[in-house]
Amino acid sequence: QQPVQSPQAVILREGEDAVINCSSSKALYSVHWYRQKHGEAPVFLMILLKGGEQKGHEKISASFNEKKQQSSLYLTASQLSYSGTYFCGVNFGNEKLTFGTGTRLTIIP
Amino acid sequence: DADVTQTPRNRITKTGKRIMLECSQTKGHDRMYWYRQDPGLGLQLIYYSFDVKDINKGEISDGYSVSRQAQAKFSLSLESAIPNQTALYFCATSARGQGSDTQYFGPGTRLTVL
Repeated sequence: QQPVQSPQAVILREGEDAVINCSSSKALYSVHWYRQKHGEAPVFLMILLKGGEQKGHEKISASFNEKKQQSSLYLTASQLSYSGTYFCGVNFGNEKLTFGTGTRLTIIP
Repeated sequence: DADVTQTPRNRITKTGKRIMLECSQTKGHDRMYWYRQDPGLGLQLIYYSFDVKDINKGEISDGYSVSRQAQAKFSLSLESAIPNQTALYFCATSARGQGSDTQYFGPGTRLTVL
């Protein structure tokens, strides 16, 4: 039931764009995106609800395709501060989150 | 002040010892969670509580127990620690009724079992 994230890791140069995908084999009620710096707590980025529209602010946005049970996180013109591991947490309608295994993003100058 | 606090932040213990990790929150949320994170892996749910009288097992509850002393406090105990339980432990909270279940995490406790 754990959602699958792809890619597992990506290295970008500052200013490049990235897309991180999160796929589920079960129907989703909502998708939550978090970013975690090494050794720190995960920090909430955004939530996408079933029936909702694409979310985002400035250079980080996300979409939710209910039919495909998939969400994508878009990072444009990446900055050094974007480095970290990105997790999707999915809600199957049971009021809990099940987290993916993460995507490690490294931004180099 | 941090909304979700965990104590201790680091703990080294020996196999067979009983230890307790504590979590407190000032966010006024009624839902609390304990997760375990192993290096390079995602977050695995150990236990969760939707209110003081509601405690539920998560994916990996064997070897762990919890206590919800008050709305703001949720403790995790390892009855007899083993090296396999060496990991980073996170507490999280969320609010009921918003339809979002967005969770907010504490800073984590790094536990090492020798």
